[in-house]
Amino acid sequence: AQSVTQLDSHVSVSEGTPVLLRCNYSSSYSPSLFWYVQHPNKGLQLLLKYTSAATLVKGINGFEAEFKKSETSFHLTKPSAHMSDAAEYFCVVSARGFGNQFYFGTGTSLTVIP
Amino acid sequence: EAGVAQSPRYKIIEKRQSVAFWCNPISGHATLYWYQQILGQGPKLLIQFQNNGVVDDSQLPKDRFSAERLKGVDSTLKIQPAKLEDSAVYLCASSSLSGGYQETQYFGPGTRLLVL
Repeated sequence: AQSVTQLDSHVSVSEGTPVLLRCNYSSSYSPSLFWYVQHPNKGLQLLLKYTSAATLVKGINGFEAEFKKSETSFHLTKPSAHMSDAAEYFCVVSARGFGNQFYFGTGTSLTVIP
Repeated sequence: EAGVAQSPRYKIIEKRQSVAFWCNPISGHATLYWYQQILGQGPKLLIQFQNNGVVDDSQLPKDRFSAERLKGVDSTLKIQPAKLEDSAVYLCASSSLSGGYQETQYFGPGTRLLVL
């Protein structure tokens, strides 16, 4: 079975400080993992994805994530938060043989304090 | 390139009424998805099409929900009759190839439905 656990429902950081959004996954097969961002009243936008190549994945807007198989984690980081980063972030797992479905976490709301 | 288009953006109806949502995927994308996102939760897949055929509708409440993609391009999702618990954002997404597990899905802005 596939599932994703986002460990924090809400994260607050000060502008200019690092961001860490945590995600653990469960998958019976080698997964693909994605991070999407959702700004208010906007659609989901892909930040980055892991598909069994390099374990450190760089995405848009300075975000990156590291796939750690031993820890079944795919945490999202950014060195310095910007006000425009305030949004809802979703971790997603997908795996071959399970209808290629996306399984979403419940989301982490990021607040950036000026 | 143009993104995934959805309409309407907002809809308010009373319970037991019917409602329909429309989606136009990115040009050339063979696979189309409809998701339901209830407040405070992640999106949940309702149905997946590849061209005009259904790949997966296992989580679609078929007693009240229906969807079609007749010409393999745009799609309509219908709810009839609506219940209070159907209040949610309905997201449409598309992907370019066969909908494989490594493919990126591109999402539209969603339709926010409120059932009173």
